[in-house]
Amino acid sequence: AQSVTQPDIHITVSEGASLELRCNYSYGATPYLFWYVQSPGQGLQLLLKYFSGDTLVQGIKGFEAEFKRSQSSFNLRKPSVHWSDAAEYFCAVNGGYNKLIFGAGTRLAVHP
Amino acid sequence: EAGVVQSPRYKIIEKKQPVAFWCNPISGHNTLYWYLQNLGQGPELLIRYENEEAVDDSQLPKDRFSAERLKGVDSTLKIQPAELGDSAVYLCASSLEAGGSNEQFFGPGTRLTVL
Repeated sequence: AQSVTQPDIHITVSEGASLELRCNYSYGATPYLFWYVQSPGQGLQLLLKYFSGDTLVQGIKGFEAEFKRSQSSFNLRKPSVHWSDAAEYFCAVNGGYNKLIFGAGTRLAVHP
Repeated sequence: EAGVVQSPRYKIIEKKQPVAFWCNPISGHNTLYWYLQNLGQGPELLIRYENEEAVDDSQLPKDRFSAERLKGVDSTLKIQPAELGDSAVYLCASSLEAGGSNEQFFGPGTRLTVL
């Protein structure tokens, strides 16, 4: 069965520091992978997506993610975190017929 | 362009009461989704509509939950009767079509508290 694992429930970083959020997926075929961000009281906003081709994908707000098939991973990165990046981040895989399967999320806190 | 609209944003009810949530998708989006998001969890799909047809409702608890999308535009999700365990955020999303590459756009959600 398809699944997504986000090993880190909470992460705290200092403003200006680099960030990497981990995501591992389980899917039989070539996956469609997504990263969403959810701010308090807001809906989910798509940061970036991977369908095929270049395994390093660029997204909005300075985020990027790298697809590694050998590791079944799709980790999200940002070189320099801003205080406004504090939010919850969800990795998702398309489980077929556009059914998104989400991880449990990683809550990011940013220290000034 | 307006995003996905949901109402109400918050709802507090007592157990055994009925409750309904409304969603208006982005104009022109044929596919509509209802997700359930429990505290500390990622969203889980409840039901997916393509136009007015429910094409995937396998995760919808049909004994108490129902949904409709008349005329293939806006949609209503109902719970009757509500239970304590239904306290969660109910998210609506829409996409142009159902293909895997179609981005889903999410509304702000309705936070339900059942007392």
